[in-house]
Amino acid sequence: DAGVTQSPTHLIKTRGQQVTLRCSPKSGHDTVSWYQQALGQGPQFIFQYYEEEERQRGNFPDRFSGHQFPNYSSELNVNALLLGDSALYLCASISDRVGYGYTFGSGTRLTVV
Amino acid sequence: RKEVEQDPGPFNVPEGATVAFNCTYSNSASQSFFWYRQDCRKEPKLLMSVYSSGNEDGRFTAQLNRASQYISLLIRDSKLSDSATYLCVVNSGGYQKVTFGTGTKLQVIP
Repeated sequence: DAGVTQSPTHLIKTRGQQVTLRCSPKSGHDTVSWYQQALGQGPQFIFQYYEEEERQRGNFPDRFSGHQFPNYSSELNVNALLLGDSALYLCASISDRVGYGYTFGSGTRLTVV
Repeated sequence: RKEVEQDPGPFNVPEGATVAFNCTYSNSASQSFFWYRQDCRKEPKLLMSVYSSGNEDGRFTAQLNRASQYISLLIRDSKLSDSATYLCVVNSGGYQKVTFGTGTKLQVIP
């Protein structure tokens, strides 16, 4: 039973570019949340997707957008990249019915130069 | 005030020692609480949930104090492999949204 898978694992982008990160949730999970974790910090909530809609959003600008597909997989898009967007981006999935503890993917490490 | 606050540490303890971390939360309506463990450059992994009555899993004990709005994690007989960052996680509302603390770094020394 695969856990949460994220791709790519590492990415280097230039300021001003756009990036798309991908996540496949754990089997049986229907809710996907995205987090940004800067070095030495705890994960910060970006947004959550359920039933293909953004259900909640943290304090992130509109440059951060996402999508959820019918198979529950999700994408995180970041436009007009800034140096400060360099971080580990974590995808976490959970079953909305069960609601017990998230399962995290191993993350995508984004470096903006 | 931050929603979830932790002492970042580091806590440097010798093998075999007992160490405890606290985490405070600001939303009195918070519903569920967890401790996650994160190894360097890895993803967080669920260590244990925290129940109102307190709960134990081997060398790990978690407790919740709703009156004072904090949770704690106690690690007995520390092992070198316990070295990691321990993240306090609080579910403060509906829709399974959770808020993380900044984490407490533990270093167990031989």
